[in-house]
Amino acid sequence: DIQMTQSPSSLSASVGDRVTISCRASQTISSYLIWYQQKPGKAPKLLIYAASNLQSGVPSRFSGSGSGTDFTLTISSLQPEDFAIYYCQQSYSIPFTFGGGTKVETK
Amino acid sequence: QITLKESGPTLVKPTQTLTLTCTFSGFSLSISGVGVGWIRQSPGKALEWLALIYWDDDKRYSPSLRSRLTVTKDTSKNQVVLTMTNMDPVDTATYYCAHTTKPWLAFDIWGQGTMVTVSS
Repeated sequence: DIQMTQSPSSLSASVGDRVTISCRASQTISSYLIWYQQKPGKAPKLLIYAASNLQSGVPSRFSGSGSGTDFTLTISSLQPEDFAIYYCQQSYSIPFTFGGGTKVETK
Repeated sequence: QITLKESGPTLVKPTQTLTLTCTFSGFSLSISGVGVGWIRQSPGKALEWLALIYWDDDKRYSPSLRSRLTVTKDTSKNQVVLTMTNMDPVDTATYYCAHTTKPWLAFDIWGQGTMVTVSS
């Protein structure tokens, strides 16, 4: 199985901050990297697919980058509604695997 | 507009079989490239992928759960059914179904999830 490691596991930030979350795959996954946002009691929401493609309807302050094994999700200017848990997932090979999540909390 | 909704028991006893139904609308599971996946999340834990069924009835399973899982589809009813045998308290989780398409296989639309507790 491909292991997905996210860092940090949590971070504290303020509205307006630039936030960066990392995701590392245990082997190359090309660009088969997906980012989701999850709020308490809700299903995950797709933000980014194919490492850097913004899902329709997702604000442009979210961006993704990377290929191979190292990937990054960036929120350019954190908004109040962005406090949530963020997960990466690889869809390169079965079994699909998720990272452990990064909780973005208010400072 | 694509929607999915999971249904099934909220409580099952250890060793019992869990049957969950995902009823969807807004897409057809007979269209090339389309799939429905199942993902679960134990309380306070990360997401875990379980299974995926494609438009052509190709099925993929998590190897660690392969012996306990079966996924089927009923295209005429717009439903996908997941069965999991020999339930254990560690299987207590919220179970989600989600829509996906090739080639990137991102889960772009999710159901609301259904919480299943395994307890005697």
